[in-house]
Amino acid sequence: SQQGEEDPQALSIQEGENATMNCSYKTSINNLQWYRQNSGRGLVHLILIRSNEREKHSGRLRVTLDTSKKSSSLLITASRAADTASYFCATAPYGGSQGNLIFGKGTKLSVKP
Amino acid sequence: NAGVTQTPKFQVLKTGQSMTLQCAQDMNHEYMSWYRQDPGMGLRLIHYSVGAGITDQGEVPNGYNVSRSTTEDFPLRLLSAAPSQTSVYFCASSFRPTSGNTIYFGEGSWLTVV
Repeated sequence: SQQGEEDPQALSIQEGENATMNCSYKTSINNLQWYRQNSGRGLVHLILIRSNEREKHSGRLRVTLDTSKKSSSLLITASRAADTASYFCATAPYGGSQGNLIFGKGTKLSVKP
Repeated sequence: NAGVTQTPKFQVLKTGQSMTLQCAQDMNHEYMSWYRQDPGMGLRLIHYSVGAGITDQGEVPNGYNVSRSTTEDFPLRLLSAAPSQTSVYFCASSFRPTSGNTIYFGEGSWLTVV
């Protein structure tokens, strides 16, 4: 079963614009992570936010978490063509086993130069 | 460090054949897992292991076997390949991922079953 659901499924923007992707999940979580996948490659970790945090920053990335709404957002500011990739949220359900990290279906971001 | 290494990169199988996807990590991670990625489905967990000798099923385990005889290696076996197993397979490793540790992924294995 899919825990995280990203929205939108696809996003196309111009270079320099901001990109916002959302993730909704169903159960209480310990933490939520965002990953990036370039075409034909493995996933790469971007940022983690714990359930007791509301916002985190890393370079041009800003992640928010609203546990009351069971949702998170990933903002990429001043996007670049190199940001073109798929972005996935992954949740660690509260009380789940150590192996139970669940990925969403991803948002495909296209940044046009 | 090599990180997570999976082989082969590409494989074509005939229906009914068996094969093993190899995965090795050199980071002394406790946790290893196999995911499959299908268009529009995201990543789905097949099997995972929290340490040598310990394995458990994920969301889509049918048709696959795993074993964890060493910390470094976590092979995925397809017992009798079916066209529905055509997918991209990713091996991953981590210290305890649900505690917030980063998961490191291999580069993927593209499997086609004809």
